[in-house]
Amino acid sequence: QQQVKQSPQSLIVQKGGISIINCAYENTAFDYFPWYQQFPGKGPALLIAIRPDVSEKKEGRFTISFNKSAKQFSLHIMDSQPGDSATYFCAPGGDYKLSFGAGTTVTVRA
Amino acid sequence: EAEVAQSPRYKITEKSQAVAFWCDPISGHATLYWYRQILGQGPELLVQFQDESVVDDSQLPKDRFSAERLKGVDSTLKIQPAELGDSAMYLCASSPGWGLTYNEQFFGPGTRLTVL
Repeated sequence: QQQVKQSPQSLIVQKGGISIINCAYENTAFDYFPWYQQFPGKGPALLIAIRPDVSEKKEGRFTISFNKSAKQFSLHIMDSQPGDSATYFCAPGGDYKLSFGAGTTVTVRA
Repeated sequence: EAEVAQSPRYKITEKSQAVAFWCDPISGHATLYWYRQILGQGPELLVQFQDESVVDDSQLPKDRFSAERLKGVDSTLKIQPAELGDSAMYLCASSPGWGLTYNEQFFGPGTRLTVL
């Protein structure tokens, strides 16, 4: 996990606000960049993922921005809802393996 | 919708006892993973199977942990003897293992282990 750094560790956002989580990686061989969402007591679930041939991908209120030269990618949650309160993990990888970040706990205040 | 099944969901044991966890991956998924997730951290890979073969167990503490996937379908992870530091969530994940989505991993609900 030392090769993947996720920030911030936690954040609080008001309902309707924007949450931004960042992920920096070291391994230039990574070719798959997903974000997972995990609720307490549950397993992680794939939220959205991007491949290095595009710089941005949007699915509903969730957007990934990818900067290959900086070896960083980020998750933007637009119009945050209380149901988005969860822990989010970046997990860059390739060759059938993922390297998880330490996680960001997002709390959305109603 | 197909899901990864795990059992038991919760396990409490005393140190030095043996424990076993079971995982049934999504049908047709060739690749199976066992992860350990300590509270407040991200999942860490313990072992990876391709069909019935182990392809990566470099992070598996082999003096006390063992894993098998005899028929290339379901899998068992065993700890013997359990130690206090083994208290964690044990997650199983599976992946198609081929095609454009070969890197996508689907996780089960996990087994929460508490060692007393």
